[in-house]
Amino acid sequence: GAGVSQSPRYKVTKRGQDVTLRCDPISSHATLYWYQQALGQGPEFLTYFNYEAQPDKSGLPSDRFSAERPEGSISTLTIQRTEQRDSAMYRCASSLGTGGHGELFFGEGSRLTVL
Amino acid sequence: QKEVEQNSGPLSVPEGAIASLNCTYSDRGSQSFFWYRQYSGKSPELIMFIYSNGDKEDGRFTAQLNKASQYVSLLIRDSQPSDSATYLCAVVTNDYKLSFGAGTTVTVRA
Repeated sequence: GAGVSQSPRYKVTKRGQDVTLRCDPISSHATLYWYQQALGQGPEFLTYFNYEAQPDKSGLPSDRFSAERPEGSISTLTIQRTEQRDSAMYRCASSLGTGGHGELFFGEGSRLTVL
Repeated sequence: QKEVEQNSGPLSVPEGAIASLNCTYSDRGSQSFFWYRQYSGKSPELIMFIYSNGDKEDGRFTAQLNKASQYVSLLIRDSQPSDSATYLCAVVTNDYKLSFGAGTTVTVRA
């Protein structure tokens, strides 16, 4: 696609429910990142993919968080048994190359609110 | 210790002045350094990248890198009200992960 697309843009859920966020990167881009951004803070690294490989998931806060990119294109971030502290903006970004040297293009983000 | 640290701000400068933003990083093996700008309610967008020690200029922006001191800075010359935003320093660490600082909010007073 022309840009990075994320859905849903807004999600309100009740504590304990599972949520899945979706990211559709720019079509030629090899690398895809997921970040969590709290209000007034910089993006915090969660995980990234080179095509379908997931070299680093060290930023995932707990085992309730998981991410996939099975065909090296669209990615999903799933949060199981959501908690109020999971409320944040979740940002996806993609990059043409691998190795972290290229420009990241960010989507508009998915704002998650856990009640 | 956080991987990327920025002076917390906020930074308020008069129109036409120079805004100076600082960033330090912890991974001595880092090779790639970026400055992103984020307007309120929007996504970050790249404004500068720098890979080598020294200065790199692009229009009114100058990035400075000192790998020995593990220090990156951004200067905004002739600041304009449209420069009012949060500026994020980002560093590719040795394991190819791109980490961001907390950001410095700049307000340019007309």
